[in-house]
Amino acid sequence: NAGVTQTPKFQVLKTGQSMTLQCAQDMNHEYMSWYRQDPGMGLRLIHYSVGAGITDQGEVPNGYNVSRSTTEDFPLRLLSAAPSQTSVYFCASSAGRYNEKLFFGSGTQLSVL
Amino acid sequence: AQSVTQLDSQVPVFEEAPVELRCNYSSSVSVYLFWYVQYPNQGLQLLLKYLSGSTLVESINGFEAEFNKSQTSFHLRKPSVHISDTAEYFCAVKRASYDKVIFGPGTSLSVIP
Repeated sequence: NAGVTQTPKFQVLKTGQSMTLQCAQDMNHEYMSWYRQDPGMGLRLIHYSVGAGITDQGEVPNGYNVSRSTTEDFPLRLLSAAPSQTSVYFCASSAGRYNEKLFFGSGTQLSVL
Repeated sequence: AQSVTQLDSQVPVFEEAPVELRCNYSSSVSVYLFWYVQYPNQGLQLLLKYLSGSTLVESINGFEAEFNKSQTSFHLRKPSVHISDTAEYFCAVKRASYDKVIFGPGTSLSVIP
């Protein structure tokens, strides 16, 4: 049982480059979300989705796009990377309506030079 | 909107001593409350949760937290810590509905031998 899978684990970008962070879950979870983790800031919600075709903004959505074409996948796109987007990114999912337990991926460490 | 405050960014404590990690939240509606733990170089995992019912909730490894609605708090306690409890601890809140989960900034617990 793979759970929540994030790829890549590490990535270095130059300012202005674009890339997509992948997130996939095999638990048929309705809810999926992306967080970034920065020292002293904890986890801040970027975008989330309550089902295929439905996405919404979190606390820090600027500079990021998401889509949810399938239940399994929830990619995060950086359109034009900036140094301020250097962070560790976590994808999380949960079953059912009430998010009683989030399952986290192992994270992607992104550096933007 | 919900928000979470964790007043202590770092808590050093000697092995076998008691510890309390503080969490306060703000919300105008009923909430679910959570504590998540992040061990070094890992993703987050659920430690315990309050959804309804008894205000005192316990984890399998000896932690407990008490929901105090009048104080809007959900402090985490353990009577005797072990070296293996060294980790980052995050308090989180969500409205008692199908909704996003918001995390606090985290508290780094260091257990000293």
